[in-house]
Amino acid sequence: DAGITQSPRHKVTETGTPVTLRCHQTENHRYMYWYRQDPGHGLRLIHYSYGVKDTDKGEVSDGYSVSRSKTEDFLLTLESATSSQTSVYFCAISETPVTQETQYFGPGTRLLVL
Amino acid sequence: AQSVTQPDIHITVSEGASLELRCNYSYGATPYLFWYVQSPGQGLQLLLKYFSGDTLVQGIKGFEAEFKRSQSSFNLRKPSVHWSDAAEYFCAVGRGPSSNTGKLIFGQGTTLQVKP
Repeated sequence: DAGITQSPRHKVTETGTPVTLRCHQTENHRYMYWYRQDPGHGLRLIHYSYGVKDTDKGEVSDGYSVSRSKTEDFLLTLESATSSQTSVYFCAISETPVTQETQYFGPGTRLLVL
Repeated sequence: AQSVTQPDIHITVSEGASLELRCNYSYGATPYLFWYVQSPGQGLQLLLKYFSGDTLVQGIKGFEAEFKRSQSSFNLRKPSVHWSDAAEYFCAVGRGPSSNTGKLIFGQGTTLQVKP
């Protein structure tokens, strides 16, 4: 199994509060991704990173920001959490995008916004 | 734009029966194709992938998938289902050699229930 951890694994928060989710990898992979999983939608890409300090938006980036100051860590921040951001969040990593495009997923973080 | 459709939201099969999960994609060029499985409360595990070459690919746990360009399909099959195969299955497509981001587009998922 790829060395990917996510913290926290579960979180309950209130509307309007900031929340930061952490993804940590031990594989030294360059590419990291944040997805959210909702019933009927599969997984949708929020943001991704193609290197330290290099990030870009995915298809559902509104209300989210990311940072990557080290290869191993990719942070997802909800600046002011809303109930619509209740979801399961998955981090993924990949070694290269072109020759592999195989992504390995972390265990997920279940977030409930009340 | 790329898209992935899994027409079956929920499938129930008897243990020992054969299984086919459907996946159709929309993309102008040759895509990279994946099947992932998610057991309850778990992350996603890669079952198999298609990049090029032989259109019938073998994966883990006895699964296989066939890429059919003419039908824009990448259906997942297993000849004999085990109770432990009950899970949610996701088809995903990447942009292939033209990609420089590795972004994947996922289908909505198919939940497999296995009857004893």
